[in-house]
Amino acid sequence: AQKVTQAQTEISVVEKEDVTLDCVYETRDTTYYLFWYKQPPSGELVFLIRRNSFDEQNEISGRYSWNFQKSTSSFNFTITASQVVDSAVYFCALSELDMRFGAGTRLTVKP
Amino acid sequence: NAGVTQTPKFQVLKTGQSMTLQCAQDMNHEYMSWYRQDPGMGLRLIHYSVGAGITDQGEVPNGYNVSRSTTEDFPLRLLSAAPSQTSVYFCASSPRASFRADTQYFGPGTRLTVL
Repeated sequence: AQKVTQAQTEISVVEKEDVTLDCVYETRDTTYYLFWYKQPPSGELVFLIRRNSFDEQNEISGRYSWNFQKSTSSFNFTITASQVVDSAVYFCALSELDMRFGAGTRLTVKP
Repeated sequence: NAGVTQTPKFQVLKTGQSMTLQCAQDMNHEYMSWYRQDPGMGLRLIHYSVGAGITDQGEVPNGYNVSRSTTEDFPLRLLSAAPSQTSVYFCASSPRASFRADTQYFGPGTRLTVL
């Protein structure tokens, strides 16, 4: 079965700093999806991005950017100029027939 | 659209009791799933369904049963609750693309405590 590793358990930064959340995955499939979800302190799970395994283009959405590298089986997430509202737990996930999640990275952005 | 709804929001059970966590979606999604979230362990897949009448096990299926009689509903049953099942339970649904689970939309969660 697929596996997702988020080695960073907790990260703390000061507002306006850039921060990168790491995600490494394992799969035997050639076709799969990668995802990032955000879980703010309120507890809901918010979808951020989906990436198809055939599309290695990096993506930018405002202050968020994602770097997908099949050669290293990584799908890292960078927040530029972090804000207090970015404080949350972030999950990386991999989808084959079903979807599996990493353990999450808790990001705290201090004012 | 209400999206994915879960009931109840909170539940306290005694060891050995049974109960059903309800999940419904109104987006006509084929794929539905149940996860549990425990501190430091992320979300772990319990069971999933790729369509009405079809279910399969995930990572941690023991102690849980599911059925999918309609596209809209995917209840999770605890037959004999144990303290180890204390957790937050999330239901999710997604359209299915090419036999892979696509973007999942999550319900608000059910916080279950087993004493």
